Amino acid sequence: EAQVTQNPRYLITVTGKKLTVTCSQNMNHEYMSWYRQDPGLGLRQIYYSMNVEVTDKGDVPEGYKVSRKEKRNFPLILESPSPNQTSLYFCASSLGRGPWGYTFGSGTRLTVV
Amino acid sequence: ELKVEQNPLFLSMQEGKNYTIYCNYSTTSDRLYWYRQDPGKSLESLFVLLSNGAVKQEGRLMASLDTKARLSTLHITAAVHDLSATYFCAVDIGGSEKLVFGKGTKLTVNP
Repeated sequence: EAQVTQNPRYLITVTGKKLTVTCSQNMNHEYMSWYRQDPGLGLRQIYYSMNVEVTDKGDVPEGYKVSRKEKRNFPLILESPSPNQTSLYFCASSLGRGPWGYTFGSGTRLTVV
Repeated sequence: ELKVEQNPLFLSMQEGKNYTIYCNYSTTSDRLYWYRQDPGKSLESLFVLLSNGAVKQEGRLMASLDTKARLSTLHITAAVHDLSATYFCAVDIGGSEKLVFGKGTKLTVNP
């Protein structure tokens, strides 16, 4: 089944403890991106990648890192999480700049205490 | 800075009625997306609009794009309860995949 897989689905962690949220897609998509969704603020893009080893900042990149060493994987790294990073995170992928939208993962609900 | 505004943010309508959701954006863009999100779920792609005058339809939903007015509309025809969800438009900054989403329109269709 064609999909974007995020892990974990739920995570509670403490301030300052490094964590990684994994994202993998099996559709050979070129483009991948990360979003956070907060009540009243909608979805905001954190980082995006248009190819292997090519990443760029979205609207809210502070406090996050990404890497794209392989086409299928696009992990989101929080080096020193803080409570204001408590949010619902979505990974998404797309074939490229054509008449198709992004396929979203199921989301990761992160709580930083 | 690209800004995307959706109106209304909340919409309660009766089954069988028609209504339109509006999505305005502030700068030139190559494409506009519409997504649907059910409560507690992920986002589902509905439409991708690529050019001025583009119109796409799927079931009771029809989306259109006017790039000169920087406006997209999502028209709902004869609403049914199953259409209850939050609808987002998203616009990319031309030439990149930097996407900006509207805040979403929460649609509730009442019997």
